[in-house]
Amino acid sequence: ETGVTQSPTHLIKTRGQQVTLRCSSQSGHNTVSWYQQALGQGPQFIFQYYREEENGRGNFPPRFSGLQFPNYSSELNVNALELDDSALYLCASSGAGTGGDEQYFGPGTRLTVT
Amino acid sequence: GQQLNQSPQSMFIQEGEDVSMNCTSSSIFNTWLWYKQDPGEGPVLLIALYKAGELTSNGRLTAQFGITRKDSFLNISASIPSDVGIYFCAGRRGDWGNLIFGKGTKLSVKP
Repeated sequence: ETGVTQSPTHLIKTRGQQVTLRCSSQSGHNTVSWYQQALGQGPQFIFQYYREEENGRGNFPPRFSGLQFPNYSSELNVNALELDDSALYLCASSGAGTGGDEQYFGPGTRLTVT
Repeated sequence: GQQLNQSPQSMFIQEGEDVSMNCTSSSIFNTWLWYKQDPGEGPVLLIALYKAGELTSNGRLTAQFGITRKDSFLNISASIPSDVGIYFCAGRRGDWGNLIFGKGTKLSVKP
C-alpha cells in the first residue's frame, strides 16, 4: 500500500509569485484535505476535495485554490504569494468519501516566501 | 483559525516515566484523534476515538474521549527516547470534514 506523497519537498518563492504544490493520495482513498502549518502551530484546514469538487473550506482567501484529478491526486495553488504564506503545507487523504475516515498525512512541502 | 487548547506546551521527562497530556474545547466534537509529528515530517496518526467515554490503546499509548465530548487525554507509559516529538490532538465536529488541531505538546525524553 502506497502512502500519501507530496512534491516538491522544499520550495523558495518571491512575494507576488504563484506556486503549485502536488499530492498523491494513499491507495484506496478518494478524499484529499490540505492544511497549512506555520512554525510552532498546529495544522490549519485550507480545503477538502472529494470527487473532484471542493467539499469544505477553511478561513483562507480565494488566492488559495485547488484541484482534484480523476485518480484522486490533488494540487494546491497559491497566487500572489505573501510573506505570511511561508509554512509547511500538508496534504491528508481519507477514504470514506466525505472525509469521515481517519486522515493520513503526507510529509509536507516546506514553502518559503522571500 | 480555531485551535484546541492543548496542555502542557512542553514536557521534559526521564526515560521510563509515564506522560499525560490533554486537549480541551469549548465545542462538542464527534471524533478525537491524536497524532505525533517528528521534525520535517507530516503528522502520523496514533489513535482515533469515536465515542464519548471510549478508552483506546495502541501499545504503550492510551487515549480517552471525554464524557462531555469537549476533551480528550493521551497517556504514554514507560517512555523511551523514540517517543520524542510533538503530539497533536485533533477534533472533528461532524462525521466527516476538516480536523481542528491543538498547538501541540513537545515531548523531550532524557535517557
